[in-house]
Amino acid sequence: GAGVSQSPRYKVAKRGQDVALRCDPISGHVSLFWYQQALGQGPEFLTYFQNEAQLDKSGLPSDRFFAERPEGSVSTLKIQRTQQEDSAVYLCASCTTGEQYFGPGTRLTVT
Amino acid sequence: GQQLNQSPQSMFIQEGEDVSMNCTSSSIFNTWLWYKQEPGEGPVLLIALYKAGELTSNGRLTAQFGITRKDSFLNISASIPSDVGIYFCAGLSNTGNQFYFGTGTSLTVIP
Repeated sequence: GAGVSQSPRYKVAKRGQDVALRCDPISGHVSLFWYQQALGQGPEFLTYFQNEAQLDKSGLPSDRFFAERPEGSVSTLKIQRTQQEDSAVYLCASCTTGEQYFGPGTRLTVT
Repeated sequence: GQQLNQSPQSMFIQEGEDVSMNCTSSSIFNTWLWYKQEPGEGPVLLIALYKAGELTSNGRLTAQFGITRKDSFLNISASIPSDVGIYFCAGLSNTGNQFYFGTGTSLTVIP
């Protein structure tokens, strides 16, 4: 069946621009996670949803980061007024019974 | 955020050799996952472990959930060139809503 999909795969933004990254989880997966992965590092937790409820957003690095999942399926990660340090790969994962499946990621480059 | 200690950081091996890598944490986890990530892609789930002492195989891969619940091991037997990639461990927190990732082991297989 279809896996987790993310769009766009690549995004170049000028410093100060807002960006929106989309995640389509595996159908029926209740849990959805967003991660940030810097070059050469493992994924770092940003936020977690169970259905439409954002249960943990402790990993969001600043109030410029905002995530939503209004209908409990598709999720959007929004970054306002992007900064160069926001450049990274943003990974989305959906989860069932402890097994977490990742999308291909969105590589964000802020110039 | 918390990152698990993973070793070795990198490995260069001859095709056909066996590979071992491990992951340790100061915290107890109830689930351990092992992933492989190739350039430009999201991590792909290899093996999931749910019980202390559990030993699980997936083809040439074997992983173990440590008895202390603070570590896990991954072995790859008879390595082949397509095993090249970065291997990450991940532990699920006791709250069940955060996965913590290791620092990764980069594997290079020399034909």
